[in-house]
Amino acid sequence: KAGVTQTPRYLIKTRGQQVTLSCSPISGHRSVSWYQQTPGQGLQFLFEYFSETQRNKGNFPGRFSGRQFSNSRSEMNVSTLELGDSALYLCASSLASGGDTQYFGPGTRLTVL
Amino acid sequence: AQSVTQPDIHITVSEGASLELRCNYSYGATPYLFWYVQSPGQGLQLLLKYFSGDTLVQGIKGFEAEFKRSQSSFNLRKPSVHWSDAAEYFCAVAMEYGNKLVFGAGTILRVKS
Repeated sequence: KAGVTQTPRYLIKTRGQQVTLSCSPISGHRSVSWYQQTPGQGLQFLFEYFSETQRNKGNFPGRFSGRQFSNSRSEMNVSTLELGDSALYLCASSLASGGDTQYFGPGTRLTVL
Repeated sequence: AQSVTQPDIHITVSEGASLELRCNYSYGATPYLFWYVQSPGQGLQLLLKYFSGDTLVQGIKGFEAEFKRSQSSFNLRKPSVHWSDAAEYFCAVAMEYGNKLVFGAGTILRVKS
């Protein structure tokens, strides 16, 4: 069974631009969560989607948003990029929502110049 | 709020030596606990998890972890470390509801030959 895939793997943007990252979960998984990883703040939860509904949200500004489609694929969007948004963005999928095991993708490395 | 503490930022062990990585958590209810490993530039790979039952859990690559409720700990162990185990290790706790993972800061393992 194929793992979690994320596209693109690398992205370079400039301040003020917006970006959309994509995540395809493991087949049959209905929950997708997003995390931001930076050297200073470590791994932080952004949000979780289950059956196209946002179930949980981390402590990030409204510039960070996401959505999930009927095939469970998910996208996250960051508007008005700031230098501090440079990070590795990780997507994880799981069968269900509720302490279920999450399987991570390789991540998208976003660099904001 | 939940929190996870990994007291050791870096650990260096000799190849063939035993390993123990410490993890302490703060959570009011019964936690769901995980250990993940990350190689440079990669996503997170699940090593093992604890949901309930036997407090000693076995994982992949010869790793095991023991849940000790009285000490709020979930330490990761391996009897004999291989050079390929060099990576960063993350302990995480999840709530019973939703899939939000709270991660520790990570422990970087170096293996010397």
